[in-house]
Amino acid sequence: NAGVIQTPRHKVTGKGQEATLWCEPISGHSAVFWYRQTIVQGLEFLTYFRNQAPIDDSGMPKERFSAQMPNQSHSTLKIQSTQPQDSAVYLCASSLVGGAYAEQFFGPGTRLTVL
Amino acid sequence: GDSVTQTEGQVALSEEDFLTIHCNYSASGYPTLFWYVQYPGEGPQLLFRASRDKEKGSSRGFEATYDKGTTSFHLRKASVQESDSAVYYCALRNTGKLTFGDGTVLTVKP
Repeated sequence: NAGVIQTPRHKVTGKGQEATLWCEPISGHSAVFWYRQTIVQGLEFLTYFRNQAPIDDSGMPKERFSAQMPNQSHSTLKIQSTQPQDSAVYLCASSLVGGAYAEQFFGPGTRLTVL
Repeated sequence: GDSVTQTEGQVALSEEDFLTIHCNYSASGYPTLFWYVQYPGEGPQLLFRASRDKEKGSSRGFEATYDKGTTSFHLRKASVQESDSAVYYCALRNTGKLTFGDGTVLTVKP
């Protein structure tokens, strides 16, 4: 079991450019989550899919951020017109089911740096 | 909304010292409580969890007891080792998402 795979591990973009982050959940897991980690804000929830359907995007910034899960084997987080304040580690997690008790397995994260 | 408060931002100990990291939560309903540990360059990994009042979670010598009365889930370990140095997060989950505390950086000196 390779665990949750995130690519790229590091990404540097210029201000105003687009960034697409990829996540491959653990095979068989039906729930996929995205979180953002910064020194100032800590670990923040962004969005959540279950069986590929968007369930909760309450943490997503209203502009420039979007997430998709086109199939059960990957999800993408896209940031348009990146800004320096978007610099963070973006973490993807998956769980077997979406219930409160289910363990979420985290990937190593993608470190995004916006210059 | 749901929230988790970790009192200690940083803890510095020597090997074989006793560890306590305080965690208090505020949530509607009956959340599941978690402790996660994060090492440099990695995502958080589950240490253990508890889902009902008075339930004790434990792993690798760490333990915490779910206390609904005081809304707490304090992390304890009787004798820490240098290898325990990491960032520890208390978290809760009502439905899908995890809500994390700010994290506690634990440094253990040999």
